[in-house]
Amino acid sequence: DTGVSQNPRHKITKRGQNVTFRCDPISEHNRLYWYRQTLGQGPEFLTYFQNEAQLEKSRLLSDRFSAERPKGSFSTLEIQRTEQGDSAMYLCASSLDEGEKLFFGSGTQLSVL
Amino acid sequence: DAKTTQPPSMDCAEGRAANLPCNHSTISGNEYVYWYRQIHSQGPQYIIHGLKNNETNEMASLIITEDRKSSTLILPHATLRDTAVYYCIVRPYNAGKSTFGDGTTLTVKP
Repeated sequence: DTGVSQNPRHKITKRGQNVTFRCDPISEHNRLYWYRQTLGQGPEFLTYFQNEAQLEKSRLLSDRFSAERPKGSFSTLEIQRTEQGDSAMYLCASSLDEGEKLFFGSGTQLSVL
Repeated sequence: DAKTTQPPSMDCAEGRAANLPCNHSTISGNEYVYWYRQIHSQGPQYIIHGLKNNETNEMASLIITEDRKSSTLILPHATLRDTAVYYCIVRPYNAGKSTFGDGTTLTVKP
């Protein structure tokens, strides 16, 4: 069990640029989740996958956000035309199946200047 | 998912038991209580979960009231490393997502 891996750990970008984050879940885990967290707040749900199928998207996930999980393995979260309000910690989690405990990565800290 | 209410902050002396309360008065019969904690600059970590019976594992104990409208997470011998934000989540077992509130910041003091 190598845990959930997220890359990069930190990302600084200029407003209007596109960014992409990667998440590698625990290998046998079927479910993969993305959350966003700002300072002083709890994690906010963005979206989740069951294998390669994206089953739910939060209203927080605007058209500028897209997530994929090709082949049901790693996942990417892309933000297009970044805005300062996108600055946050983006957390990825995985679980073996529904109802099972979530294992979180250490997150990607995004700063939009 | 049922809404939960937690105190924003609590202190505990090192070596003493930390008792973290959570109110979930609108909990439904099929909803479980989950607890996670988040140490600064890390992702949340699962602690324990339960439906209606009290549960214990190597990290903590979970006490759920008989009417299931509230629960208490107990860290039996708190250490400085237990200083973290603790989140109480109520959700059906087969729900797609877990909804986090703002949690309780527990500070363990020497």
